[in-house]
Amino acid sequence: EAQVTQNPRYLITVTGKKLTVTCSQNMNHEYMSWYRQDPGLGLRQIYYSMNVEVTDKGDVPEGYKVSRKEKRNFPLILESPSPNQTSLYFCASRQGGVSTNEKLFFGSGTQLSVL
Amino acid sequence: AQSVTQLGSHVSVSEGALVLLRCNYSSSVPPYLFWYVQYPNQGLQLLLKYTTGATLVKGINGFEAEFKKSETSFHLTKPSAHMSDAAEYFCAVSESDSWGKLQFGAGTQVVVTP
Repeated sequence: EAQVTQNPRYLITVTGKKLTVTCSQNMNHEYMSWYRQDPGLGLRQIYYSMNVEVTDKGDVPEGYKVSRKEKRNFPLILESPSPNQTSLYFCASRQGGVSTNEKLFFGSGTQLSVL
Repeated sequence: AQSVTQLGSHVSVSEGALVLLRCNYSSSVPPYLFWYVQYPNQGLQLLLKYTTGATLVKGINGFEAEFKKSETSFHLTKPSAHMSDAAEYFCAVSESDSWGKLQFGAGTQVVVTP
């Protein structure tokens, strides 16, 4: 089954404690992306990757890091989480190229709370 | 630059009534437009898309949307709401000459009452 898998589903942590949210896709997609979803703001892109070792900032990259060492994985790293990073996070993937956003697959989300 | 405005963060409709969700966009180039639906505790799913061609597009679950360039709008409609339509709906735009970075609206929460 084609899917994007995020872990964990829920995470509660404290300010400053490094954490990683994993994302894995089994569709051999080139493009992967991280979004955060906040009430009244919709989804905002954090980082995206067009292929292995190719990553770029989205609209709200501050406080986040990513890596793309393998095609299937695109972890989101918070080196020193802060309460304003409390949010619902989504990973998504699709094939590369223009006009393929209709093939964007989303994970089920990770609800992060930073105390 | 591109942006999306969804009018109304919450919409309440009666079962069987018309569902109308409004979306206006701005884009410096011909846009690609999308509506996504998010059911509770799930990721987003594509409802429908407009890329080129016919301006009235039909999607899944009886939804449709019309691209009106003169009004820079892409409103989503469904003639008769069903209880299962209760969800959050997001309009999104991407510029056709890019790698297709999506810009999402703030979302509209739809509540369906019996």
